[in-house]
Amino acid sequence: AQSVAQPEDQVNVAEGNPLTVKCTYSVSGNPYLFWYVQYPNRGLQFLLKYITGDNLVKGSYGFEAEFNKSQTSFHLKKPSALVSDSALYFCAVRGSHTGGGNKLTFGTGTQLKVEL
Amino acid sequence: ETGVTQSPTHLIKTRGQQVTLRCSSQSGHNTVSWYQQALGQGPQFIFQYYREEENGRGNFPPRFSGLQFPNYSSELNVNALELDDSALYLCASSKTGLAPLSGANVLTFGAGSRLTVL
Repeated sequence: AQSVAQPEDQVNVAEGNPLTVKCTYSVSGNPYLFWYVQYPNRGLQFLLKYITGDNLVKGSYGFEAEFNKSQTSFHLKKPSALVSDSALYFCAVRGSHTGGGNKLTFGTGTQLKVEL
Repeated sequence: ETGVTQSPTHLIKTRGQQVTLRCSSQSGHNTVSWYQQALGQGPQFIFQYYREEENGRGNFPPRFSGLQFPNYSSELNVNALELDDSALYLCASSKTGLAPLSGANVLTFGAGSRLTVL
């Protein structure tokens, strides 16, 4: 079985400050890890993914994520937050040994609030 | 390129009724997945369709069923609606090929269909 934990329901950060949204995972085989963002009344938008290679992955809108195999973590980061980054962020995982489709297992989401 | 479109955007049903939700895939995509997102939760995988056949299913009962058409569009059908079926239903498309790491394919999501069961 595969699972994702996002330990913080909400993260508050001031505009211009760095932000981190935490994610840990459990999966069989090598992990494929994803971050998606959801704005109100919208579907999920892809931010970035880790498949293999460099542990630091760069994605859309200045976001990046660091894969840490020993800690089974994939935290989302941004050096300088914007008010427009305020949204609901989901971490998701799929194991390389998982058969039968593109089943992604999502965390429960972290609400990011960036304030002026 | 067009994205994933879903219809209807909102609908209200009563317990015991049946509902059909529709999804048009992004151009060039051949695989469709459906997810249920309950309020305050992350999306839960319902099933996936590839080559017009179900190819993977989550922990959902048989009253959740689907179809994929030759143009890669898809339907999600739910029979005997229950109150707990109230949720946002998300359709996602992707391109499945013969290359390795196909499980790493990025899913493109639609905006969803919000179902309320009274």
